[in-house]
Amino acid sequence: DAGVTQSPTHLIKTRGQQVTLRCSPKSGHDTVSWYQQALGQGPQFIFQYYEEEERQRGNFPDRFSGHQFPNYSSELNVNALLLGDSALYLCASTRGGELNTGELFFGEGSRLTVL
Amino acid sequence: GEDVEQSLFLSVREGDSSVINCTYTDSSSTYLYWYKQEPGAGLQLLTYIFSNMDMKQDQRLTVLLNKKDKHLSLRIADTQTGDSAIYFCAESFDGGATNKLIFGTGTLLAVQP
Repeated sequence: DAGVTQSPTHLIKTRGQQVTLRCSPKSGHDTVSWYQQALGQGPQFIFQYYEEEERQRGNFPDRFSGHQFPNYSSELNVNALLLGDSALYLCASTRGGELNTGELFFGEGSRLTVL
Repeated sequence: GEDVEQSLFLSVREGDSSVINCTYTDSSSTYLYWYKQEPGAGLQLLTYIFSNMDMKQDQRLTVLLNKKDKHLSLRIADTQTGDSAIYFCAESFDGGATNKLIFGTGTLLAVQP
């Protein structure tokens, strides 16, 4: 049983560019959340997708956007990249709604470096 | 406000018990979590506890929850060198159904052989 998978694992971009990160949830999970982890800090919640809709959003600008597909996989898009966007981007999956048990699994992350 | 606090560093000898502490702020949190992160890796779910429980034990791990003081601890029995990592405490915010987690800054556990 594959866990949460993310791609790419590493990427380098320059300021002003755009990036798309991808996530496939653990089998049986339908809810995907994205977190940003800067170096030396704990992860910060970006947003969550359930039933193909953004359900909650953290304190991140509109440059951060996302999408969830019918197969529950998700993308995180960041436009107009800044140096401060350099971080490990983590995807987490769980079962949403009434099936939620609190169990939340993370992927290995995508490490983004902005030059 | 949303805030989770942890001590930054803990050093123990192999074979001893480790206790990592955490305080949180949201009394309505549904779940509280402990994650482990090794260098360059993602977060590994170690254990989590429902807020109406006081204690949960899973092999070498024991979680204690004091809701009155909003204090959570993780005890690792017989600590091994492979337990060296950063440990994050997290609380679910805005209800367990949506699982928005607020994380602490992490505690670096160093296990000396």
